[in-house]
Amino acid sequence: GAVVSQHPSRVICKSGTSVKIECRSLDFQATTMFWYRQFPKQSLMLMATSNEGSKATYEQGVEKDKFLINHASLTLSTLTVTSAHPEDSSFYICSAGTANYGYTFGSGTRLTVV
Amino acid sequence: QQQVKQSPQSLIVQKGGISIINCAYENTAFDYFPWYQQFPGKGPALLIAIRPDVSEKKEGRFTISFNKSAKQFSLHIMDSQPGDSATYFCAASISGNTGKLIFGQGTTLQVKP
Repeated sequence: GAVVSQHPSRVICKSGTSVKIECRSLDFQATTMFWYRQFPKQSLMLMATSNEGSKATYEQGVEKDKFLINHASLTLSTLTVTSAHPEDSSFYICSAGTANYGYTFGSGTRLTVV
Repeated sequence: QQQVKQSPQSLIVQKGGISIINCAYENTAFDYFPWYQQFPGKGPALLIAIRPDVSEKKEGRFTISFNKSAKQFSLHIMDSQPGDSATYFCAASISGNTGKLIFGQGTTLQVKP
């Protein structure tokens, strides 16, 4: 089955620094990757849609300059949280796939900003 | 109109019992309705999904019931087991983009031995 890997699984960073999260499709090529955010005991909220070779499309209320998304290849998308603050602490989850074969979620990245 | 409302927020069921989680939506453009299971610290995993051309879909112990006119759908977990204890999310999307999901609020299920 389709496997989506996220790295790192956990990261702690200092307030004001930037952190990069990788999302990789291990055994398939993903034309589209989605980035979601999940606060503790809450639901998943879509942040942005990333198509390979194109600029990401951000959902309303998500700051594109703060959450930089790069989808440079069919197997890798990255989310960079710039100038992180404690309120950015959350569980970040990607999903990857194609319209024909569906989408698979990654294992998630727990970001803690101190 | 983009919301998906899920209930109950939490559910406790005895082993062997039936767990029932309900969802309702407003946007009639939604035509793909998946259910996900999520364990703590993990990403959600697809359990079962339905499209509105059928009223019920069953996969093993999991069944989705779909009521198009009421704009409601539900997940039934038969013969619930302690290993089913997790958080369950319903979701909805437009089939042209099944990766772009609107999630319900989630239901934390505890199955007691």
